[in-house]
Amino acid sequence: RKEVEQDPGPFNVPEGATVAFNCTYSNSASQSFFWYRQDCRKEPKLLMSVYSSGNEDGRFTAQLNRASQYISLLIRDSKLSDSATYLCVVPWRGYQKVTFGTGTKLQVIP
Amino acid sequence: GAGVSQSPSNKVTEKGKDVELRCDPISGHTALYWYRQSLGQGLEFLIYFQGNSAPDKSGLPSDRFSAERTGGSVSTLTIQRTQQEDSAVYLCASSLAHGTNEQFFGPGTRLTVL
Repeated sequence: RKEVEQDPGPFNVPEGATVAFNCTYSNSASQSFFWYRQDCRKEPKLLMSVYSSGNEDGRFTAQLNRASQYISLLIRDSKLSDSATYLCVVPWRGYQKVTFGTGTKLQVIP
Repeated sequence: GAGVSQSPSNKVTEKGKDVELRCDPISGHTALYWYRQSLGQGLEFLIYFQGNSAPDKSGLPSDRFSAERTGGSVSTLTIQRTQQEDSAVYLCASSLAHGTNEQFFGPGTRLTVL
């Protein structure tokens, strides 16, 4: 199993739709997880942290399922500006190593 | 309120030459990370510094790659005898301290090896 695995997409959704991405990880010892957003030809920026069962911020909800070793990101009421690549991030061994997923590309269509 | 800066922003070099990439983290950030991202690919973790020390260098792709950090601030990533497969965007990130959540990324250095 890959350390961090994401569906590359692209996910093409209409404005206003709800979309969800999953990210699976292999290291059961990992305690914290993150979702970053990367716009085309830009650097990644933190979107949400996930430390326990989940986290909600406006239209965005991140959830953690430790038993199945995956985290999810739910985006409600999609906006055109949500179009980006969403990267799942799993730190290891106290941040001595950080694995980024390859990202899921989202395209919100008018 | 300067963010992470990297230089040069673009570097074109010939195969076999050495290159040096620089990262200036946010002032006061003790943790520093180097990644590379090939076109259309995810981020590949290279190395992590806590202060001036790098506990684990196993992420560096080959012995042509080396990195150092001095004074707990600026870091340089050196690639010797560059190869075409080294072409990528090299991203640097810093965070306030070891084990904190948010990494702040610089704009990256786009390296092209001809």
